[in-house]
Formats: sequence, C-alpha cells, structure tokens
Amino acid sequence: QSALTQPASVSGSPGQSITISCTGTSSDVGRYNLVSWYQLHSGKAPKFMIYEGSQRPSGVSDRFSASKSGNTASLTISGLQAEDEADYYCCSYAGNNVYVFGTGTKVTVL
Amino acid sequence: QVQLQESGPGLVKASQTLSLTCTVSGGSISTGGYYWSWIRQLPGKGLEWIGYIYFTGSTYYNPSLKSRVSISVDTSYNQFSLRLNSVTAADTAVYYCARDVDADAAFDIWGQGTMVTVSS
Repeated sequence: QSALTQPASVSGSPGQSITISCTGTSSDVGRYNLVSWYQLHSGKAPKFMIYEGSQRPSGVSDRFSASKSGNTASLTISGLQAEDEADYYCCSYAGNNVYVFGTGTKVTVL
Repeated sequence: QVQLQESGPGLVKASQTLSLTCTVSGGSISTGGYYWSWIRQLPGKGLEWIGYIYFTGSTYYNPSLKSRVSISVDTSYNQFSLRLNSVTAADTAVYYCARDVDADAAFDIWGQGTMVTVSS
C-alpha cells in the first residue's frame, strides 16, 4: 500500500477556513468509509479528530469537519485558531486488516 | 481513563532487534472490541502503521514490515510488545502505541511516543 497523498502545507489567517485533502485509491479511501484524522503537536501524543469519515469524537471542536468524495477525503477547519497550528494526518482502512496513513500536512496559522 | 505508555531502549545497534513495550493503564487490554497497534513516525516523514494485536493474540502486520515484525500481548501485565528484527538506520523513528476501536482505523488513544535511534 502506498501512503495517501496530502498537501505538504496549508495556511490560513485566524478566523478563515482551510481544507486538507487526502487522496487515496479505489482500494482504500474510495472503497471504505473508514477514514480517520489526527492532529499532531510536537512532543505530544497524537489527537484523534475524526473517524468513520466524518464523525467527531466527544470533545473535538465542531470547527473540525470531514467528508469524502470518491478517492479523496477532506478535513475542514473552520474559524482557524492559533492552537490549530499542527501537523494533520489522515488514515484509511485498506482491506485485509491493513491500514495506510497519509503523508501529512503542516497547517500554519498566519 | 485509559492511558498508554511506551517503554524500551532509545538506542539500538544496526542488525539487532528493537524491542518496545506498551503498558495499558486505567482499563483492561482484554476488553473486547479494542485492537492494540504500533505506529511509527520516521524523521521528517509521515506516520506508518506497523501492526496490531487483539487480546486473543491475533495479529496483523503492515506487509512492508511483516518479515521483520512481531507483536505479542501479555494480558496478565496489561501490556503488548513490539519486536522489529534486523534494524537499520531507516528504522530510526518515534514509535507510538495506540488503541484502535473495532479495527476501524480509529486510533482513539495514543501513547506519548518514544524515540528509537538505530546506530551503526
């Protein structure tokens, strides 16, 4: 399995909305509604942000939303805040009890 | 509240075996529906799923690492462990343990991660 493709970086000003794409294939993102998203701050444990494509775990801000179209999943951050500056990774089930992560996106708040 | 903590050597010599343990606290590793994973982040690169184990001992591995990886569970100590054989500098990474809900690529709880450097 090849890593899912994400943009290396995305930036936005406070209050704006940004979208991070996660492109896979018809064997992973396109086939299963099992895409999750994670926020990584340096030196901290990764944070679980989205599961099953668009579901938010308890405690995750509703400024974070996600969707999927074809082989591409997307994470949208609305009302961008300084604390959102982090690395974001998508992950998809790829069949046969195998998972694949995305290449990661660095979000910068200008 | 369930917490995970990785432990093990931070330095491993090339060609030897990397061994890490993840201790689960605040809950039982034998609770049904949870799968216990190892994930790593290579320097300057993305996350890579290594494999997972169920409390019954069933394991699944990343095909790219399968020949060198072994994950085991010790329910009496509420721990699961990773062994990666024949390591090279390319295995230098931050290693995380994580809990996966229903094997649905939903890693809801992660350890802090532990840096492992492979030296020549």
